[in-house]
Amino acid sequence: AQSVTQPDIHITVSEGASLELRCNYSYGATPYLFWYVQSPGQGLQLLLKYFSGDTLVQGIKGFEAEFKRSQSSFNLRKPSVHWSDAAEYFCAVGEGFNKFYFGSGTKLNVKP
Amino acid sequence: DADVTQTPRNRITKTGKRIMLECSQTKGHDRMYWYRQDPGLGLRLIYYSFDVKDINKGEISDGYSVSRQAQAKFSLSLESAIPNQTALYFCATSDLRAGGANEQFFGPGTRLTVL
Repeated sequence: AQSVTQPDIHITVSEGASLELRCNYSYGATPYLFWYVQSPGQGLQLLLKYFSGDTLVQGIKGFEAEFKRSQSSFNLRKPSVHWSDAAEYFCAVGEGFNKFYFGSGTKLNVKP
Repeated sequence: DADVTQTPRNRITKTGKRIMLECSQTKGHDRMYWYRQDPGLGLRLIYYSFDVKDINKGEISDGYSVSRQAQAKFSLSLESAIPNQTALYFCATSDLRAGGANEQFFGPGTRLTVL
């Protein structure tokens, strides 16, 4: 069965520091991979997605993610975090055109 | 603007009551989904629908039912609410015609509390 693991429940970084959020997936075929962000009291917004081609994907708000098939990972990165990036981040794997499976989320706190 | 809306945004109810959560979309998407979000568990799929005549159970459909009244409307019902159905509920849509890894677009969520 498909599954997504986000091993870090909470992460705190200082404003201006770099960020990496981890995501590992279990899926038999070539996965469709997504990162969503949820700000407090809001719905989920897509940051970026991967389904083929270049394994380094650029998204909105300065985020990027790298697909590594050998490690079954799709980690999210940002070189310099802003206070407005404080939110919860969800990794998801898409089962073809059908369903998504979400990780349990990583809450990001940003210290001034 | 094209959008996914959910009503109500917040609801407090009592055990045993019937509750309906509604979702409407103006995106023209054919696929619609209902998820629940619980702290530490992420989002779990309750039901999904690929068109008006197609309804499918997700991971956690027990205790829930759905109705796809039209392409743009997808309702979630709790026939007899229980406290462990207290959660944040999200509706989402996606468009098969987009091809490839078609993303899902989420509504703002409905916070349901069952006392």
